[in-house]
This record gives sequence, C-alpha cells and structure tokens, in this order.
Amino acid sequence: DAGVIQSPRHEVTEMGQEVTLRCKPISGHNSLFWYRQTMMRGLELLIYFNNNVPIDDSGMPEDRFSAKMPNASFSTLKIQPSEPRDSAVYFCASSKGLRNTEAFFGQGTRLTVV
Amino acid sequence: SQELEQSPQSLIVQEGKNLTINCTSSKTLYGLYWYKQKYGEGLIFLMMLQKGGEEKSHEKITAKLDEKKQQSSLHITASQPSHAGIYLCGADRGGGNAGNMLTFGGGTRLMVKP
Repeated sequence: DAGVIQSPRHEVTEMGQEVTLRCKPISGHNSLFWYRQTMMRGLELLIYFNNNVPIDDSGMPEDRFSAKMPNASFSTLKIQPSEPRDSAVYFCASSKGLRNTEAFFGQGTRLTVV
Repeated sequence: SQELEQSPQSLIVQEGKNLTINCTSSKTLYGLYWYKQKYGEGLIFLMMLQKGGEEKSHEKITAKLDEKKQQSSLHITASQPSHAGIYLCGADRGGGNAGNMLTFGGGTRLMVKP
C-alpha cells in the first residue's frame, strides 16, 4: 500500500486566497484525521471523520476552515480566505477500526501564507 | 491547552547515553501511542500501550504504561544519532462507538550528539 497520500507537499499562497489540501487515506481505513502542526501549538487535531461522517470538528479554528469527505478514498481541507497565521504543516492520518489502532500519517502539506 | 503533558520539552544527550521521556494525563487513557517524527516529515508509529502495567520494547526503545493508565514513559538505551527527532505521545480520547479521537502531547525534541 502507498500509505496516506497528501497533496500538495508544499503550498505558498497570498493572503486572502483559497487553499485546498487533499488527502487519500489508506484503503480499508474508516477513520480519517486532519491535524495542524506549528512550533507554538504543536500538533493539533482539527477534525476527524468516521465512515465519511464528521464526528468532531471542535478543533477547527474558524469558519474559514472547512473539511469534507465525499467518499472513503478522498478528503479535503479548505481554507477560505487564507491568512498568514494559517501557515503551518497540515497532516492527514487514517486508521482502521473503532479504537486502539495505530493511525498512519501522510507526509504533510507545508502551507505558507504570505 | 494540551491534555497530555510531555517532559522534557527538549533533550540533548551524548551518544551512548540512556534517556527517558515522560507523558502524563489527568484522565485515564483508553490507549497510549508513541510516535516519532523526523524534522520536516510525517509521524512514524512506534508503539501502542493499552493495559495498565503494560511494557513493550522495540530494538533499543522501551515504553511503559503505569497501572493507573495515566502516565507513560519512553526509554531509549544507548542512544544513537538515528534516534534524534521529535517524540510524541498520543492518546485515544474515546469517541465512543464513533471511533477513536487521537490527540497528542506537545512533543519532546531529542538531539543526540555524536
């Protein structure tokens, strides 16, 4: 298996622009997570899905952030409009089963908003 | 604020020395995970602990979960430069039947001096 695939690996955009991050989870995994990592705040859980349904989005910082999972093999995280403070590395992870199973992480998308 | 507290936040050791990283929660953990992250890369799963008193080892890394399931330690024996990176503990916050919700501590940044 190719693992969790994220795209793009790097994104540089201007403030105010829309940014879309993409994730393809491991086939057969039914849980998907979006995280944001910064030096100041560490690794923060933004939202997670189970069987394509958003279960907890309490970590989503603002209404500018939205996430979708239209099917079991694809998810997006969108920021509109983007701001410089959104600059971070965004990770997607997936896991199989309900509990006590390891989550597999993608390589991340490094977002820079200038 | 982080629900999982890791200590120390950073650590510099001489190659060959032993070291311990701690992870503490104020609540009982359903599952405790240790991950390693190399700079600029995604997280790599190390070990998962579920039962109070459980201990697991992989090569020179040993992880333990205390009987109360509120504290875990990661011990590296005879450290090597390849052990350098960020070590993160993660916990299953118990999403009930909807699946696990994996949240992380602030991380411990380890440097091993040759």
